[in-house]
Amino acid sequence: KQEVTQIPAALSVPEGENLVLNCSFTDSAIYNLQWFRQDPGKGLTSLLLIQSSQREQTSGRLNASLDKSSGRSTLYIAASQPGDSATYLCAVGGAQKLVFGQGTRLTINP
Amino acid sequence: KAGVTQTPRYLIKTRGQQVTLSCSPISGHRSVSWYQQTPGQGLQFLFEYFSETQRNKGNFPGRFSGRQFSNSRSEMNVSTLELGDSALYLCASSLSAGTAGNTIYFGEGSWLTVV
Repeated sequence: KQEVTQIPAALSVPEGENLVLNCSFTDSAIYNLQWFRQDPGKGLTSLLLIQSSQREQTSGRLNASLDKSSGRSTLYIAASQPGDSATYLCAVGGAQKLVFGQGTRLTINP
Repeated sequence: KAGVTQTPRYLIKTRGQQVTLSCSPISGHRSVSWYQQTPGQGLQFLFEYFSETQRNKGNFPGRFSGRQFSNSRSEMNVSTLELGDSALYLCASSLSAGTAGNTIYFGEGSWLTVV
């Protein structure tokens, strides 16, 4: 059974810092890994999708990497802004469904 | 183009009642999945529909059911509501079934409170 863990559960940093969010998973037989953002009371916004054959994906200030063999993914956020404050969820795409981590609640302080 | 639309956004029900939630996927998307989000359990997969057929089902009791119509719109139903069913119910759509090669897009969710 796939298990996805995100560490830390919460993170607070000053504006402008570069930061890394971590995601680990137990079963390397995955199709892809997707990072989402969730604002309070809202749905999920897709940030990046990494296919199992890829090593990384970039979108603007965001860069996500995937190391299937070690069961790890990281989301790198450059030059953080207060608007980046949200909960970030990673989800591993298996044969049938997405399996989510519990998320990292990120706060960027002005 | 319009995103995934879920209705209603908020609702309050009494224990023992039933509820129906609706989801309209992104135009052209034929797969609709449902997830339940609670503070304690996080996001959990309920079921997936593709071309009006349930493809996969998560580990939820039979009180949770769903269906998909020919226009890909989907509904989920929860009967005999329990307090523990209070949650954010999220609908997701994608072009094809499963997760392979698919970016999955979520709606804003339906907040269900059972009292």
